[in-house]
Amino acid sequence: ETGVTQTPRHLVMGMTNKKSLKCEQHLGHNAMYWYKQSAKKPLELMFVYSLEERVENNSVPSRFSPECPNSSHLFLHLHTLQPEDSALYLCASSQEGGNEQFFGPGTRLTVL
Amino acid sequence: GENVEQHPSTLSVQEGDSAVIKCTYSDSASNYFPWYKQELGKRPQLIIDIRSNVGEKKDQRIAVTLNKTAKHFSLHITETQPEDSAVYFCAASNPRAGTALIFGKGTTLSVSS
Repeated sequence: ETGVTQTPRHLVMGMTNKKSLKCEQHLGHNAMYWYKQSAKKPLELMFVYSLEERVENNSVPSRFSPECPNSSHLFLHLHTLQPEDSALYLCASSQEGGNEQFFGPGTRLTVL
Repeated sequence: GENVEQHPSTLSVQEGDSAVIKCTYSDSASNYFPWYKQELGKRPQLIIDIRSNVGEKKDQRIAVTLNKTAKHFSLHITETQPEDSAVYFCAASNPRAGTALIFGKGTTLSVSS
């Protein structure tokens, strides 16, 4: 499937590193999302962008910084993460908020 | 904001049996209720959805029912097969308000042959 792509697929980083996750959607959607998936909280909404504006930020620590330069691309910038941030990070897109969301394959992040 | 509760968290059935997963939601303005299936190591994918103007929707072996008065909806899988084994997530949203889908915590379904 190529509708929503994410890179990298796997990432291992130290607590002092800075890295970025990238998401790209080829579906012509105008809303994009970041989710964190872990055993404790299976699908935890982090950020919502609609028409390139951030419309939701669910009390996410500032060490996670999203960026949406256009309606097709979404980034998640990471810095000084903690081991408990290790999880699968899923990107999704939809045509306007609240409708069917299409997910990317995710980035498996491990923080050492 | 919206809150979605999902039960049970795990469900084990024999091949051929039926499986039912139930969800409740809190925001009476929600009117879109999708169900996603996530197989091991794969991304969540939509399997069926229902909007508040109907009470039931079927697609082959799967069906979803909605009770707006009680604010709950359910997924029914009949004649289960081993390939139905996965994690199932319910969700709710109000598309007119442009709010994101709010997901339940998931149900791990295991179908044994």
